Amino acid sequence: GQQLNQSPQSMFIQEGEDVSMNCTSSSIFNTWLWYKQEPGEGPVLLIALYKAGELTSNGRLTAQFGITRKDSFLNISASIPSDVGIYFCAGQTNNNDMRFGAGTRLTVKP
Amino acid sequence: NAGVMQNPRHLVRRRGQEARLRCSPMKGHSHVYWYRQLPEEGLKFMVYLQKENIIDESGMPKERFSAEFPKEGPSILRIQQVVRGDSAAYFCASSPQGKDSPLHFGNGTRLTVT
Repeated sequence: GQQLNQSPQSMFIQEGEDVSMNCTSSSIFNTWLWYKQEPGEGPVLLIALYKAGELTSNGRLTAQFGITRKDSFLNISASIPSDVGIYFCAGQTNNNDMRFGAGTRLTVKP
Repeated sequence: NAGVMQNPRHLVRRRGQEARLRCSPMKGHSHVYWYRQLPEEGLKFMVYLQKENIIDESGMPKERFSAEFPKEGPSILRIQQVVRGDSAAYFCASSPQGKDSPLHFGNGTRLTVT
């Protein structure tokens, strides 16, 4: 199946810093999505990207769908303590199959 | 406006017993996906179903695991003769019919095999 490589695996940052994480694949996807998971809960959708080159923002979050359709990045600006969690990228194919990256574990120190 | 509902939230089984995990998709959603997550790891795809059909089960172990999504009622993930290695969080997600539909996740069932 499709393999998604997500990096970094974990990040330890100071409150107020910006964060960047990315996902790459050898396969092409029609849709890229970014989810956040907090302890004991299911992943929650943050941003969905539908077109190559698309840049979308949701508050302090910005994500881009790579022009080759094989990669995506997520930026978080001015991080706050509640940004703590695991961030997953996901790629969706033409037939609705979805595959996830291994996650980026974010820790924000106040 | 209920989201994806999974039950039970926590399930404890002894080795050799059966585990049945239930998932009710969001209203109007006809696609259901099951994922498995081990501690400190990502989400591993198991199976993708539409009503009464298994579309992709490439992530399901060949033995002891089965899934269904009947015309009426919730989707069921069934694990027979559970072993300790089956202990994990199992997440269900649903999406509406059609392409380019993001998945909406439930809060998972945490299975512990003793």
